Order: sequence, then structure tokens, then C-alpha cells
Amino acid sequence: QQQVKQSPQSLIVQKGGISIINCAYENTAFDYFPWYQQFPGKGPALLIAIRPDVSEKKEGRFTISFNKSAKQFSLHIMDSQPGDSATYFCAASSLGAQKLVFGQGTRLTINP
Amino acid sequence: EAGVVQSPRYKIIEKKQPVAFWCNPISGHNTLYWYLQNLGQGPELLIRYENEEAVDDSQLPKDRFSAERLKGVDSTLKIQPAELGDSAVYLCASSFNENTEAFFGQGTRLTVV
Repeated sequence: QQQVKQSPQSLIVQKGGISIINCAYENTAFDYFPWYQQFPGKGPALLIAIRPDVSEKKEGRFTISFNKSAKQFSLHIMDSQPGDSATYFCAASSLGAQKLVFGQGTRLTINP
Repeated sequence: EAGVVQSPRYKIIEKKQPVAFWCNPISGHNTLYWYLQNLGQGPELLIRYENEEAVDDSQLPKDRFSAERLKGVDSTLKIQPAELGDSAVYLCASSFNENTEAFFGQGTRLTVV
């Protein structure tokens, strides 16, 4: 059962543009929604995370928008840079990091 | 501070052979996870340890996979015998407890030929 659906699979953005990646979940018990960034040959690294008591969280150029009623959340990367080129995974879990369920990933390419 | 350390980084074996992966979590982290990442997919949890106890191994194929975490620190994941479909990246992660963020190692890329 696929519990977290992520789109798009791949995304190409020009340098300085806004990158937007979307995720939808099914399990209403989920209460922790992180985004991970993964470079080739590396493990996923936590980028930013949100809990459902807020609708938005911003850290530098990265923002999570959360819509609890729609069961959707998204990652926005402002002023996208070539160094942001990587694969991004959304994830969800209940009771903190106990059992992360990952989306399928989005390969982001920022063209210079 | 050192991150999660995994070894080996790469492993190529013939099918039906055994293989083992090793993970050293971040010091002080009580929770340890093993994830499987197939090419082009997100990681999937195989097993979670709280100290030395396996508290969630529901996704571990127990006919051929086994894991242990002696003394609640390092962990080993074993496959015996390996099958072609086991080719993937095996990721280890750790967290201070089950309610804090998980940090991932670089993974072991297994190729079964």
C-alpha cells in the first residue's frame, strides 16, 4: 500500500527560479512530515520537517507548506541554485521518526 | 561529531552467497534503523531497534535476512543466501530516540550477479 505519493518524478528549473515538489498522504495518524535531500552515492539528509500544528515552516530558502484537510504538503525551494540539484524525498510517520514512509522521490535539476 | 558509519560501501557477490553489512550509529543514539532503497525509489524500513531489542521487524524477509545489534550499539544485517532481486542500497540510520530525527549513513550498494 503506497501511503505517500510524490510528484513530479523529475523537475528541471532554471537558476533563480522556484522549485515546487508535492506530496499527498493517506494515513491520518501521520504527525511528522520531513523532507530529505539525497545526492548520488550519499544517504538521505534531513532538510526540513513540519508537524501538523502549523501550516508553514521556513528555513532559509526552503519552505514546507502543509494542508491538513487535503492531506497534502509541499516543498518550495526559492532562488534555486545548481547545488540544489539532487533527489528529494518527502516522508511521513506517526510518533516521530519511528517508521518513516517515504515518497518515490523527485529528481531535481537546476540549470545554470 | 562522526555521522552514521556503514561498511562496506560497495559489495558485489554471486547469487546464493551470503553477505553482511555493518553499521555504527551516532554515539548516544538508542534507535537504529535498517532501510532498503531500490534504484529510483524511496527507502523502505526493514527493521528498527530500540537499544538491542528489535521492536519492528515486520518488513524483514526472515527466510533469508537476519539482523543483530549486540550491546545496543553496532548492528549487522545479513542476507543468506542472496538473490538477484536483493541488489539495492542498504541504508542504516540512527536517532536519539523514536521521537527524534533520523540520520542516515551513506549506505552499502549491493550487487548480486
